[in-house]
Amino acid sequence: QKEVEQDPGPLSVPEGAIVSLNCTYSNSAFQYFMWYRQYSRKGPELLMYTYSSGNKEDGRFTAQVDKSSKYISLFIRDSQPSDSATYLCAMRTGGADGLTFGKGTHLIIQP
Amino acid sequence: EAQVTQNPRYLITVTGKKLTVTCSQNMNHEYMSWYRQDPGLGLRQIYYSMNVEVTDKGDVPEGYKVSRKEKRNFPLILESPSPNQTSLYFCASSFQAGGNTIYFGEGSWLTVV
Repeated sequence: QKEVEQDPGPLSVPEGAIVSLNCTYSNSAFQYFMWYRQYSRKGPELLMYTYSSGNKEDGRFTAQVDKSSKYISLFIRDSQPSDSATYLCAMRTGGADGLTFGKGTHLIIQP
Repeated sequence: EAQVTQNPRYLITVTGKKLTVTCSQNMNHEYMSWYRQDPGLGLRQIYYSMNVEVTDKGDVPEGYKVSRKEKRNFPLILESPSPNQTSLYFCASSFQAGGNTIYFGEGSWLTVV
């Protein structure tokens, strides 16, 4: 069983829709959860990070972590064509360990 | 401007011809790492460095070498490239090991024929 599972998509939605992106994981030791956005031919950039369970909001973006279900989500409200990108979830246990990435979901926002 | 710079951005090379991909960061970060990104496999860590002269293997280190002689630079060396090393490579850095904010370079597209 892979450590982090993420549906690769593509996920295509109309402009203005609410988008839900998700990852599941198997390692209960993960404590820090991140979402990265990657535009075509660019490096990933950090969108948000969350420690442990709960919600975090930043503008149109909300990150949600449910550690009991080992499930994390990223919601995008009022989606824009400029949100079209690949979204990667990432997580780590703590201390000095590196990140474990999901494979990314390719999101397309149709104008 | 805070950035991670890697070169070359695009390279086609032949099997067995040694090459180096350079990486430099201007944020005085302690932690640097290299990833490769392949379709269907996602981002996988090749090597990382917690500080000058401290390097360690990531998940897929075979066929690669690194060095960290200066804090700002972390080159990736392919001593004898093979076609299975054709990939998109990213250098990344963070303030310290375990940092949540990781800055990625723009990527280096490498093709080995």
